[in-house]
Amino acid sequence: QKEVEQDPGPLSVPEGAIVSLNCTYSNSAFQYFMWYRQYSRKGPELLMYTYSSGNKEDGRFTAQVDKSSKYISLFIRDSQPSDSATYLCAMSVGSNDMRFGAGTRLTVKP
Amino acid sequence: GAVVSQHPSWVICKSGTSVKIECRSLDFQATTMFWYRQFPKQSLMLMATSNEGSKATYEQGVEKDKFLINHASLTLSTLTVTSAHPEDSSFYICSAWAGASSQYFGPGTRLTVL
Repeated sequence: QKEVEQDPGPLSVPEGAIVSLNCTYSNSAFQYFMWYRQYSRKGPELLMYTYSSGNKEDGRFTAQVDKSSKYISLFIRDSQPSDSATYLCAMSVGSNDMRFGAGTRLTVKP
Repeated sequence: GAVVSQHPSWVICKSGTSVKIECRSLDFQATTMFWYRQFPKQSLMLMATSNEGSKATYEQGVEKDKFLINHASLTLSTLTVTSAHPEDSSFYICSAWAGASSQYFGPGTRLTVL
């Protein structure tokens, strides 16, 4: 079993839809949770950072962490074609042991 | 947010040559930098952790003599792919730890070995 599981998709939605991206994990010691967005042939860009359980909202993006279920989510409201990218979840126990999911390829169609 | 640059962004080389990739943190000091490798449509694979002033820590299966890492200052880490071969062709991405367990990534370097 991988430490971090993420459905690679691809996921295709119409413009304006709500997008739900998810990851599960097995290591209960993870306490830092991140979502990165990666456009084709570019480096990942940090979108959301959450410590421990709870929700965090930033504009159209909401990150949720449920440590009891070992499950994290990223919601994108009013999705735009410019949101089309690969979304990577990442998590760590400390500062230098980050583990990434496989990434979910998202396409938002106009 | 913190900015990390990489140079070059794209390099093509002949088999057997060595290639150096630079990773710089532009607006912050990074005691720890990371080097990743990414194949098409796959996730990031951590190759090594680079600490300023000390030897890099390599992940299992990564040849330290082939992928030389030097973290000479708080803003610069370099990865040298020695005696490159076509199977080394990949997208190499560095990241720098900016505190609070967040990493900022460079734009990546695409290496093509002919």
